[in-house]
Order: sequence, then structure tokens, then C-alpha cells
Amino acid sequence: KAGVTQTPRYLIKTRGQQVTLSCSPISGHRSVSWYQQTPGQGLQFLFEYFSETQRNKGNFPGRFSGRQFSNSRSEMNVSTLELGDSALYLCASSRRLNTGELFFGEGSRLTVL
Amino acid sequence: GENVEQHPSTLSVQEGDSAVIKCTYSDSASNYFPWYKQELGKGPQLIIDIRSNVGEKKDQRIAVTLNKTAKHFSLHITETQPEDSAVYFCAASEVTGGGNKLTFGTGTQLKVEL
Repeated sequence: KAGVTQTPRYLIKTRGQQVTLSCSPISGHRSVSWYQQTPGQGLQFLFEYFSETQRNKGNFPGRFSGRQFSNSRSEMNVSTLELGDSALYLCASSRRLNTGELFFGEGSRLTVL
Repeated sequence: GENVEQHPSTLSVQEGDSAVIKCTYSDSASNYFPWYKQELGKGPQLIIDIRSNVGEKKDQRIAVTLNKTAKHFSLHITETQPEDSAVYFCAASEVTGGGNKLTFGTGTQLKVEL
């Protein structure tokens, strides 16, 4: 059974640009969550989607947005990139809501210059 | 909101020894406590979890204990091996009404020396 797939794995952008990251959950999983991982702040929750609806949102500015498609695949977008957005962006999937069991992908490493 | 503290930040043990990592949480409504292992260049991997209606859970060399009254939980790894070297994260969540949002601790870098 394939795990959570994230693309691209690595990318470099410059300040002011925007970026879109993609996540394909484990087959049969309907919940997709996104986390930002940095050395200084650790793992921080961005948002969670289930059945194409955002169910939870973390404490990030509106430049961070996401969506989920009918096939459960998800994308997140960061607009007007700042240097501080450099991080590992992790996607996690879960079979359903209210289980807590998250299965993470290997992440997309974003560097903002 | 929930706050999770994790200690120690680094832990070095000899192969075959035991390792213990401790976490405390602040929200008494939290009822799900997973532990993740993250190897270099990879995403976190769920290794064991415990729910609030259980005090202890064991899976081979790994065990987790939960003290709801004191709001702390611990990861115990026995007979450590070099492949146990990684960063370990604890997390807490209130899953009955809060979706799947996890609040993570700051991580423990475990090094198992030969």
C-alpha cells in the first residue's frame, strides 16, 4: 500500500513569489492535514481537510491556504513568500476524523531566498 | 490551546540500555497521545500511541505510560539499538470533537552509541 506522497520534494523560491505543494493521501484516507516544521518552532499545525472542507485551521496568516479535491488529494499554497516561510512542509493523512492517527509523507522542503 | 513540553532535548545511551522520554500536556481534554520517530530526511513515523482510557501500552521494545492526573506521559525504549537513533516527538490531541489536530512537543534527539 503506497504511503503519503508529496510533491515536489525540494524547491527554491524567492521572496514575494508564491508556491503550491501537493499531497496524495494513503488510499482510502479522507482526512489530510498539513504541518510546518522548522528548527525554531518545531511542528506546527496549518490546517486539516476532510471531504473537501477545511475542518481545522492553525495560527498562520492568510497567505497560507489549502484545498482538498474530491479524490482526497490536497494542495497548499503560500503567497507572497517571506524568508521565514523556509521550512519542511509535511502532509499527513488519516482514515477519518476524530482518530488522531496521522500518517506523514516525507515532506516538501521549501527554501525562500 | 494545548501546550506540550518534552524532555530531554537530547539523550545519549549505550547500545542495550534503556531510554526514557517524558512529556507533559496542559489541556485536560486531551485524550490521544501518539509518539513519532523521525529519521533524517524523512517524515515522522507513528511508532506507538495511547488513549486516555489506558494507563500503559507496550509493543515489543517500546512502551508508553500515561498519568492523566499529573498530565504526563512517557516513552520507554528497552534494549536500544543503533537503528533507534532518531528524533522522537510526543503529541497530544482531543480527538472526540477536535478533528485530528495534534500539538507536538519539541522533540528529543536520541543517539544510541555502540
